Amino acid sequence: AQTVTQSQPEMSVQEAETVTLSCTYDTSESDYYLFWYKQPPSRQMILVIRQEAYKQQNATENRFSVNFQKAAKSFSLKISDSQLGDAAMYFCAYRTPTTGTASKLTFGTGTRLQVTL
Amino acid sequence: SQTIHQWPATLVQPVGSPLSLECTVEGTSNPNLYWYRQAAGRGLQLLFYSVGIGQISSEVPQNLSASRPQDRQFILSSKKLLLSDSGFYLCAMESGNDPNTQYFGPGTRLTVL
Repeated sequence: AQTVTQSQPEMSVQEAETVTLSCTYDTSESDYYLFWYKQPPSRQMILVIRQEAYKQQNATENRFSVNFQKAAKSFSLKISDSQLGDAAMYFCAYRTPTTGTASKLTFGTGTRLQVTL
Repeated sequence: SQTIHQWPATLVQPVGSPLSLECTVEGTSNPNLYWYRQAAGRGLQLLFYSVGIGQISSEVPQNLSASRPQDRQFILSSKKLLLSDSGFYLCAMESGNDPNTQYFGPGTRLTVL
């Protein structure tokens, strides 16, 4: 079974600085998707960034980028120029591609990010 | 654009009372729909998913059930709530526009007293 591990329960970053959140996963599949979701105090899960395993290029969305190391099964999230609004719980998630039926997301346990002035 | 609505936003219910949470989606057809529960300070637990009207798959045997009476409506129910049913319930969808990504609704906070 696939597992997702986030080894940092809490992280802190100063405003305007850069922080990296770690995620590792275990799978025997070669094709899959990886995600980072953000959960602010409102508790709605918001998609931050997505990476397809067959793409070697790391995904980037504005201030958010990933370092995807397929051989090491590592998928870290880098937040540049951190803002107060980035404070939230961040979840790493894994799924296999949809093949006509529903495919389940496997979530890590989350990393709480604090942003300080 | 695709939108997910959840009703109600907050609910406080006594133990033993029934439950009905609703999730509706707009802007797409034939989506896959999911119900998750998140206990305080915990990760997400998949409860049910549905690939079409009347098709429900259960992940965790428990006090809850789900139904999909219409293509874009997904309902989570219970006949008698337990204290352990308290939590934050999230509905998620994925559709043909982006079949490999789940998007989440705003959630329902349920407190069972």
